[in-house]
Amino acid sequence: IAGITQAPTSQILAAGRRMTLRCTQDMRHNAMYWYRQDLGLGLRLIHYSNTAGTTGKGEVPDGYSVSRANTDDFPLTLASAVPSQTSVYFCASSDSAGGPSNEQFFGPGTRLTVL
Amino acid sequence: GQNIDQPTEMTATEGAIVQINCTYQTSGFNGLFWYQQHAGEAPTFLSYNVLDGLEEKGRFSSFLSRSKGYSYLLLKELQMKDSASYLCASMDSNYQLIWGAGTKLIIKP
Repeated sequence: IAGITQAPTSQILAAGRRMTLRCTQDMRHNAMYWYRQDLGLGLRLIHYSNTAGTTGKGEVPDGYSVSRANTDDFPLTLASAVPSQTSVYFCASSDSAGGPSNEQFFGPGTRLTVL
Repeated sequence: GQNIDQPTEMTATEGAIVQINCTYQTSGFNGLFWYQQHAGEAPTFLSYNVLDGLEEKGRFSSFLSRSKGYSYLLLKELQMKDSASYLCASMDSNYQLIWGAGTKLIIKP
């Protein structure tokens, strides 16, 4: 693994189903993030984790949950998918959350369609 | 509220110079980032400014004026591969990035 990986690459999901998007990084970064990107809108932060064992809510957390059991993995779960969650989901990581020069590295994204 | 404004789309000619503007209004300020995103790909980091002035990095430069809440990204000697979206993001007082919707740059031969 080099950098950040996400799985699956794309997924079509029936409304009401549960889905977990996976994210793994091998850079030993402390902070990790989940964003969604929709046409015409900027990236919007769903949840974040400043360090293993801690998580926080971003701008659009409703309908999503995360966990950070270790440094490398940061899965995002949709408990009961709805069509408005159709989007491209990006996972990102950074060396630290508090530093001002906090360059974030992004995974390749997961394209999710909820029907 | 928090807001990032940048043009939706710009067109420029190969070999020319283009300036992409961004105005920001966030709760606190810990720096301004520019990212490049090719269609269907992930954003990649271009530049970071926290002090007023110009930062130059090869063909790309980024400028910041904190008093005006304004930044621009300057791309010189444009190449076809520069066709992409350019995302402006301001880091707020909680060190979270607030993102603009992006500027789609179209390069014509």
